Amino acid sequence: EPEVTQTPSHQVTQMGQEVILRCVPISNHLYFYWYRQILGQKVEFLVSFYNNEISEKSEIFDDQFSVERPDGSNFTLKIRSTKLEDSAMYFCANRAGVGTGELFFGEGSRLTVL
Amino acid sequence: GQQVMQIPQYQHVQEGEDFTTYCNSSTTLSNIQWYKQRPGGHPVFLIQLVKSGEVKKQKRLTFQFGEAKKNSSLHITATQTTDVGTYFCAGDKPGTYKYIFGTGTRLKVLA
Repeated sequence: EPEVTQTPSHQVTQMGQEVILRCVPISNHLYFYWYRQILGQKVEFLVSFYNNEISEKSEIFDDQFSVERPDGSNFTLKIRSTKLEDSAMYFCANRAGVGTGELFFGEGSRLTVL
Repeated sequence: GQQVMQIPQYQHVQEGEDFTTYCNSSTTLSNIQWYKQRPGGHPVFLIQLVKSGEVKKQKRLTFQFGEAKKNSSLHITATQTTDVGTYFCAGDKPGTYKYIFGTGTRLKVLA
């Protein structure tokens, strides 16, 4: 079964520090997403990415957040200056292409901001 | 903005009882998906419904998509302890590239 791989599995950081979360998507998948889930709450959409650019972003995805796919494989989420409320599980998800809606999620990266 | 609500928020059932979760979107959807998230795990795709009024079955699970494509339901017959987890619907609004997840229903099954 194809897998989405995320690193790190857990990161603890100080408020104000920069964090980069990484995702290795499933090969040949075209659509990429970042979601976050605060403990025990719903899965919140952050951003979608297609053809090397952002397709959609939510109100949560402000100027502190950025995404890129620097080497054509890894898909990263950067938080420039973390806040306490950024503490959450961040999930990367992929979708193969038009006509297939299934999202494949990674195991997630747990971010704890102190 | 688009909102997707689910009820109930929590449900505890005895093993063998049935379970239903309902999903309602504030806007018409192009399709709806259902995911299951085990405690400590990540969402795992269950099914996608596309057509108005569509009904699909997977063993003990029955999924429905409303005629107006704004609501959906998941029904589990004769729950088992392996059904424990949170069930999320996720809607794809026409013309967008994002799937908005519902608020989720957490199911506990008592043996």
